Amino acid sequence: DAKTTQPTSMDCAEGRAANLPCNHSTISGNEYVYWYRQIHSQGPQYIIHGLKNNETNEMASLIITEDRKSSTLILPHATLRDTAVYYCIVIRTSYGKLTFGQGTILTVHP
Amino acid sequence: KAGVTQTPRYLIKTRGQQVTLSCSPISGHRSVSWYQQTPGQGLQFLFEYFSETQRNKGNFPGRFSGRQFSNSRSEMNVSTLELGDSALYLCASSSEFGDAYEQYFGPGTRLTVT
Repeated sequence: DAKTTQPTSMDCAEGRAANLPCNHSTISGNEYVYWYRQIHSQGPQYIIHGLKNNETNEMASLIITEDRKSSTLILPHATLRDTAVYYCIVIRTSYGKLTFGQGTILTVHP
Repeated sequence: KAGVTQTPRYLIKTRGQQVTLSCSPISGHRSVSWYQQTPGQGLQFLFEYFSETQRNKGNFPGRFSGRQFSNSRSEMNVSTLELGDSALYLCASSSEFGDAYEQYFGPGTRLTVT
């Protein structure tokens, strides 16, 4: 699996967009980018994933650069409930195995 | 649709004992993955089961084992418990119609070994 690099922590004001970057410069052509988050004391929660096109769902948007070496998860209107650890994961076929790094601690403040 | 359930939620065991944890996946999901979460090592993959077969295994000693039943429910067992096995054990299920990386996690079982 390609290695990912994320900032250790980020802050965001409530109601503003939260943009969480992830660097995956060694990504291969068939490796997907997945994002999960873990709110304190809960199991991780799937957010979104993509291969090379930008993706959007009800929770977030995922922007992947053209060379696929980095991506950005966008929470368009962050709320206090979005405070969590956000994990960027790059995976190839490995049957159900997610390799979590240290992630980014996002703190949304009033 | 009900989410992933795990039982028990909390467990205290003594070194040397063995423990069995249970996971019921979301209805219709046939893949179940298990993870261990500790403050020092973070989230680490234990193994994954699909249709009663272990398809993938992480880097854990043989004391950690699992199985999956025909109804997709899964159990994991840890024998000869050590203090370092104290952790949050999470299971996650995934639909066979997606890929097994879009996983839905349960609340976890908090195991304390004394």
